[in-house]
Amino acid sequence: GAVVSQHPSWVICKSGTSVKIECRSLDFQATTMFWYRQFPKQSLMLMATSNEGSKATYEQGVEKDKFLINHASLTLSTLTVTSAHPEDSSFYICSARYQGGGNQPQHFGDGTRLSIL
Amino acid sequence: AQSVSQHNHHVILSEAASLELGCNYSYGGTVNLFWYVQYPGQHLQLLLKYFSGDPLVKGIKGFEAEFIKSKFSFNLRKPSVQWSDTAEYFCAVQGNNRLAFGKGNQVVVIP
Repeated sequence: GAVVSQHPSWVICKSGTSVKIECRSLDFQATTMFWYRQFPKQSLMLMATSNEGSKATYEQGVEKDKFLINHASLTLSTLTVTSAHPEDSSFYICSARYQGGGNQPQHFGDGTRLSIL
Repeated sequence: AQSVSQHNHHVILSEAASLELGCNYSYGGTVNLFWYVQYPGQHLQLLLKYFSGDPLVKGIKGFEAEFIKSKFSFNLRKPSVQWSDTAEYFCAVQGNNRLAFGKGNQVVVIP
């Protein structure tokens, strides 16, 4: 159990395109989902925390108008990279936490490799 | 795709005890290795990472990990834990552009 599905796994698109990444908890309800970004040879960096039914909380330095996060249901959060440019090329990974609060385990998606040409 | 195993999901120990958390992975190619920590109510934070070079890696807060390629392992250690080390610890392995996490170790340090 406790599977998080992230889609797509790899996307290549032209500069200026908007790209949507989905994060789904397949067999549990997730009150909170996290979006991370990883640059080559670096660790994950938290971009934002997404709570179902409310606005996402963005980390300092992350442009909320650039990275739109929607958490419309307890099983789905989406990250939309708007008007993507080559510097947005990165590895994006989401995680979902069981409904029930901060001590619940967190489960990770497989990540999305975004390449902007 | 690679997979990551972390055993002994729940670990309870007293302050000043030594901690070792095992991480084994299955993947035949070159890997980057990470240990992350998640304190109660917080998001993931990086403890340490290994890309290449010295297989003994030192991280923050007195943690270290050793990459043993022949054993496909990257075990985390701390000689003397503190109450503030109570957290969940995740091992992650990156290979072929994929990042895989272990299920985590819930560590509780009793004062």
